Amino acid sequence: DQQVKQNSPSLSVQEGRISILNCDYTNSMFDYFLWYKKYPAEGPTFLISISSIKDKNEDGRFTVFLNKSAKHLSLHIVPSQPGDSAVYFCAASAIAGGRGSTLGRLYFGRGTQLTVWP
Amino acid sequence: NAGVTQTPKFRVLKTGQSMTLLCAQDMNHEYMYWYRQDPGMGLRLIHYSVGEGTTAKGEVPDGYNVSRLKKQNFLLGLESAAPSQTSVYFCASSSRYEQYFGPGTRLTVT
Repeated sequence: DQQVKQNSPSLSVQEGRISILNCDYTNSMFDYFLWYKKYPAEGPTFLISISSIKDKNEDGRFTVFLNKSAKHLSLHIVPSQPGDSAVYFCAASAIAGGRGSTLGRLYFGRGTQLTVWP
Repeated sequence: NAGVTQTPKFRVLKTGQSMTLLCAQDMNHEYMYWYRQDPGMGLRLIHYSVGEGTTAKGEVPDGYNVSRLKKQNFLLGLESAAPSQTSVYFCASSSRYEQYFGPGTRLTVT
């Protein structure tokens, strides 16, 4: 049973426009959320994160929004660039797990392939 | 500072053969992880470790074993490879929440 879901396997956006990638989660214990970016033949790289005490976090062209009541987060990329074309993974973690079986463990969605065309 | 490295980068095995994938990190991270990535399935956790000498099962542990004898190394073993284990394997490490990934090992089992 997937606890983190990315329901759109792909997204195509024109260069300069906004890209919005969505993610839903089911576990109310999740309190830290991350986005990773992955190019072909490379490992995923950390992009941006947000704690559940916030509803927005910005880093340059990337902004993550968190709606805890809806158990939904989104990643906005403005403006989109061709170099942003990659697979984007949403991930979630429960910080308060304590040392043991859950602390540090991330639960990943299945990813969204973003294509930014000129 | 190499970050997370994985050996080998590519491997082809025949069904029933065994092999070990090596992951090394130079960031002094406590936590290390092994994932597999298959088309349409995202990243699935195989095993992980919260410290030297400890290991725990993840989401898809069957057919794999791991060892963490040294803090900087995390080994993933396949005792008897099966075609269903054809995948790209990623190792990661972390000190808190952000995990840092290696470049991956592409394994094909024929």
